[in-house]
Amino acid sequence: DTAVSQTPKYLVTQMGNDKSIKCEQNLGHDTMYWYKQDSKKFLKIMFSYNNKELIINETVPNRFSPKSPDKAHLNLHINSLELGDSAVYFCASSRFAPIGTDTQYFGPGTRLTVL
Amino acid sequence: DAKTTQPNSMESNEEEPVHLPCNHSTISGTDYIHWYRQLPSQGPEYVIHGLTSNVNNRMASLAIAEDRKSSTLILHRATLRDAAVYYCILRETSGSRLTFGEGTQLTVNP
Repeated sequence: DTAVSQTPKYLVTQMGNDKSIKCEQNLGHDTMYWYKQDSKKFLKIMFSYNNKELIINETVPNRFSPKSPDKAHLNLHINSLELGDSAVYFCASSRFAPIGTDTQYFGPGTRLTVL
Repeated sequence: DAKTTQPNSMESNEEEPVHLPCNHSTISGTDYIHWYRQLPSQGPEYVIHGLTSNVNNRMASLAIAEDRKSSTLILHRATLRDAAVYYCILRETSGSRLTFGEGTQLTVNP
């Protein structure tokens, strides 16, 4: 069974479109995250939810809106896609809210290409 | 989070030990040292973490200097599957996020 899954794996779309990426974890964890890995391979956190409540919100354009319908799911909706949004997006989860000792489990990533 | 410094790349031969260094001279007393790795085309994967004492698990060992200003991730017998980018990350005891640096690209030669 996949612990953290993301759909779709690949997403190719035109500039200006709106798209969503879905994430689900079956680990029973309380906290979920979205990370972005750009073309230079830098991984940066975007958002984190703990029990459906937003706890980390980095400096991300408000075109990006996370939604957590329940603690097993964290979706990422992106409006008005731009070329610079092209990246690999990783979802992750951890048992507790971010603390020094928790372990984060990452999904396989969604490669978004904006044309 | 405090900053870490790692070599950009390292090479090893299969079945030999690998020592991946990390410098963190500005580490605070409450920072945990975490290691994650990212295999090609996959998400990051937890490897190990520690605070002051050396740590062992089934994947690797973590050796922490007595002054905690540096640490070394030890893969006891490298396999081709260990080829990945290895990230050394410092995390405060409470409320901190994972801040990834550039990491070390490990190449394992057959």
